[in-house]
Amino acid sequence: DSGVTQTPKHLITATGQRVTLRCSPRSGDLSVYWYQQSLDQGLQFLIQYYNGEERAKGNILERFSAQQFPDLHSELNLSSLELGDSALYFCASSVGATQYNEQFFGPGTRLTVL
Amino acid sequence: DQQVKQNSPSLSVQEGRISILNCDYTNSMFDYFLWYKKYPAEGPTFLISISSIKDKNEDGRFTVFLNKSAKHLSLHIVPSQPGDSAVYFCAASAHRDDKIIFGKGTRLHILP
Repeated sequence: DSGVTQTPKHLITATGQRVTLRCSPRSGDLSVYWYQQSLDQGLQFLIQYYNGEERAKGNILERFSAQQFPDLHSELNLSSLELGDSALYFCASSVGATQYNEQFFGPGTRLTVL
Repeated sequence: DQQVKQNSPSLSVQEGRISILNCDYTNSMFDYFLWYKKYPAEGPTFLISISSIKDKNEDGRFTVFLNKSAKHLSLHIVPSQPGDSAVYFCAASAHRDDKIIFGKGTRLHILP
């Protein structure tokens, strides 16, 4: 158990809809990262928040947005969903701000868009 | 354009033998490299890392080798055990950019 929790575990929705994925980092970790893993793809870095502020942006679509709240939990919002958004979405956390610090991953949320 | 490449999608190794997982990168600015291991239905877990100032880092049965001139790193697992069966992701980061890039992963099967 990494100490990072993600809800929900599974999500099935339809094209055009909007969903919110939630992540609670390990106690004491200030950074939260979001990753997407599609079929046959590696982990694609989406976005990083550090202590409530956006710190780094990766290949995140404009239809996607995220935020980190004062209690350090984070939410990833995916809107106008398309079939290609079906993937595993991982959240990770780390103590520091730099991405090469050891990151602790949650179990992921499997999103299926029908 | 994939900056971190794991060209072997899968690898099978006999229990007790050495497992060698390879990773190539294209960005010469990468100066920190990590390996993560992932079991089904779980998130990846950190395994071992290496800075570009080193060419080898060891942690128990796991050793990572870095060849900067060839832009190549490898993870050696000796001896391989059944619990090593998992997907292994190579990742690289450039201190200046501070963005981590993951490869697509290699699925390792340890055969009894």
